[in-house]
Amino acid sequence: DAGVIQSPRHEVTEMGQEVTLRCKPISGHNSLFWYRQTMMRGLELLIYFNNNVPIDDSGMPEDRFSAKMPNASFSTLKIQPSEPRDSAVYFCASSGDRARNEQFFGPGTRLTVL
Amino acid sequence: AQSVSQHNHHVILSEAASLELGCNYSYGGTVNLFWYVQYPGQHLQLLLKYFSGDPLVKGIKGFEAEFIKSKFSFNLRKPSVQWSDTAEYFCAVNPYSGGGADGLTFGKGTHLIIQP
Repeated sequence: DAGVIQSPRHEVTEMGQEVTLRCKPISGHNSLFWYRQTMMRGLELLIYFNNNVPIDDSGMPEDRFSAKMPNASFSTLKIQPSEPRDSAVYFCASSGDRARNEQFFGPGTRLTVL
Repeated sequence: AQSVSQHNHHVILSEAASLELGCNYSYGGTVNLFWYVQYPGQHLQLLLKYFSGDPLVKGIKGFEAEFIKSKFSFNLRKPSVQWSDTAEYFCAVNPYSGGGADGLTFGKGTHLIIQP
């Protein structure tokens, strides 16, 4: 298995631009999670899906952030408009065991907003 | 809401020294516990996990952790560290719901540097 796939790996954009991050979970996994990692706040859960349905988006910082999971093999995290304080590494993770919730992480997208 | 506390933010050791990284969590119910490692420039990898049963769990690369329920702790140990263990280590907790997956709550991480 290829593991969790994220794209792009690096993104540099200017303030005000729209940013779309993509994630392909491990095949067969039915839970998908988006996390953000910063020096100041560490790893934070943004949103997660079970069976493509958003369950908890309380970690999404602002209305500028949105996430979708149109099918079991694809999810997007969109920031519109982007701001310099959104600069971080964004990780996607997936889990195939809802009880034990062992999560497998992707390589992350390093976002820099100038 | 649960929280995770990692007591040591930076640890510097010499090769062959013994390691213990502290992790405490706040949640009164049944939990799943994890340690993840993040090598420089890489993504998080699962080091070990505890769900139930024997409170002493063994993971990859010679790491182990002990779950002490009365202390709400899940400390990570390794008897003899190597230079290649230099990395960031994260403790994470997830309340066991039995019904559906939930996001992990992570500690702030411990930056471990092993000097040759």
